[in-house]
Amino acid sequence: AQSVTQPDIHITVSEGASLELRCNYSYGATPYLFWYVQSPGQGLQLLLKYFSGDTLVQGIKGFEAEFKRSQSSFNLRKPSVHWSDAAEYFCAVGVSNNNDMRFGAGTRLTVKP
Amino acid sequence: GAGVSQSPRYKVAKRGQDVALRCDPISGHVSLFWYQQALGQGPEFLTYFQNEAQLDKSGLPSDRFFAERPEGSVSTLKIQRTQQEDSAVYLCASSPQGIGAETQYFGPGTRLLVL
Repeated sequence: AQSVTQPDIHITVSEGASLELRCNYSYGATPYLFWYVQSPGQGLQLLLKYFSGDTLVQGIKGFEAEFKRSQSSFNLRKPSVHWSDAAEYFCAVGVSNNNDMRFGAGTRLTVKP
Repeated sequence: GAGVSQSPRYKVAKRGQDVALRCDPISGHVSLFWYQQALGQGPEFLTYFQNEAQLDKSGLPSDRFFAERPEGSVSTLKIQRTQQEDSAVYLCASSPQGIGAETQYFGPGTRLLVL
């Protein structure tokens, strides 16, 4: 079965600094990969997704992620973090023959002024 | 247009009480999913509907959990004889087609606290 690991429980960055959130997955075939963001009291919002093709994926709010098959990774990046980016970030993996998604435990991002 | 809505947003139940959580998916969406999110954890899959058919209920933690979507739109997740370990946020999501791992659109969740 597929699984997702987000090694960092909590990350703090200064506003304007760059950001990278790590995600590693375990799955036998090419997975479908997602990054979602969850603000307090809000539902999950999709930032970006990878299904196939170009391994560098652009998303909303200036985020991007790169699929690296050799490392089983799908790390999320942003060149310059804004205070409004403070939230919980979840990486998820899906499979093609059903609609089951597996989520990582999440990384909480704190942004320092 | 309207997104996925869930009600109630908050529910406090006494241990042993039955609860019912409602999900209104995006109109016309074929697929509907329920997830359980414990404090400090990522969402965990509970069950999946395609229209009114429950195609996967492998994630339901016990036979106290029951979900239905009788007309292929609104869904209800029912928990019987609630236990403290059932305390969590219950998320509902819907997707347009029900094919492949397409994007799921999430509701705000119902936070259940069992005392």
